[in-house]
Amino acid sequence: DQQVKQNSPSLSVQEGRISILNCDYTNSMFDYFLWYKKYPAEGPTFLISISSIKDKNEDGRFTVFLNKSAKHLSLHIVPSQPGDSAVYFCAAHAGGSQGNLIFGKGTKLSVKP
Amino acid sequence: KAGVTQTPRYLIKTRGQQVTLSCSPISGHRSVSWYQQTPGQGLQFLFEYFSETQRNKGNFPGRFSGRQFSNSRSEMNVSTLELGDSALYLCASSSTLGGYGYTFGSGTRLTVV
Repeated sequence: DQQVKQNSPSLSVQEGRISILNCDYTNSMFDYFLWYKKYPAEGPTFLISISSIKDKNEDGRFTVFLNKSAKHLSLHIVPSQPGDSAVYFCAAHAGGSQGNLIFGKGTKLSVKP
Repeated sequence: KAGVTQTPRYLIKTRGQQVTLSCSPISGHRSVSWYQQTPGQGLQFLFEYFSETQRNKGNFPGRFSGRQFSNSRSEMNVSTLELGDSALYLCASSSTLGGYGYTFGSGTRLTVV
């Protein structure tokens, strides 16, 4: 049973517009959420994270929103750039030293010039 | 500082064979985790090692095993390879246990024929 779901396998956006990537989770014990970006032939790289005690975290063009009641988080990229084209993974952690990151299946973002 | 190094980058093996993959973590990082990435399943957690001890294990058969050495380098072994083991195997290192602050390597692409 998937605990972290990214229901959109792909997303296409025009350069300069907003990209919104969505992620849903089922485990209410998750207390820390991360987004990773992955280019082909490279490992995932950390993008931004949010603790469950917050509802928003911002870093430059990237903002993550967390809605705990809906068990939903989203990543907003504004403005989108062609270099943002990659696969984005949402990940969640249940806290403590015995946990591990649980990843969604990823969303492939294509930003068109 | 040097990143996480995985060797080899590419590997082709025959069904029934066994394979060993290597991961050198970032200097000072004592935690090494392994993930399997396949197109249909995203990133799935295999196991985590910290200070030469397996601390956490995912839901994979016993054919998948690993170990960590005193210098924190880790190896992952898959015995009796099956076609379904074809995947990108990613290693991530961290200074703490439990999936926080991961830095991923570029992965080893294993193809089983």
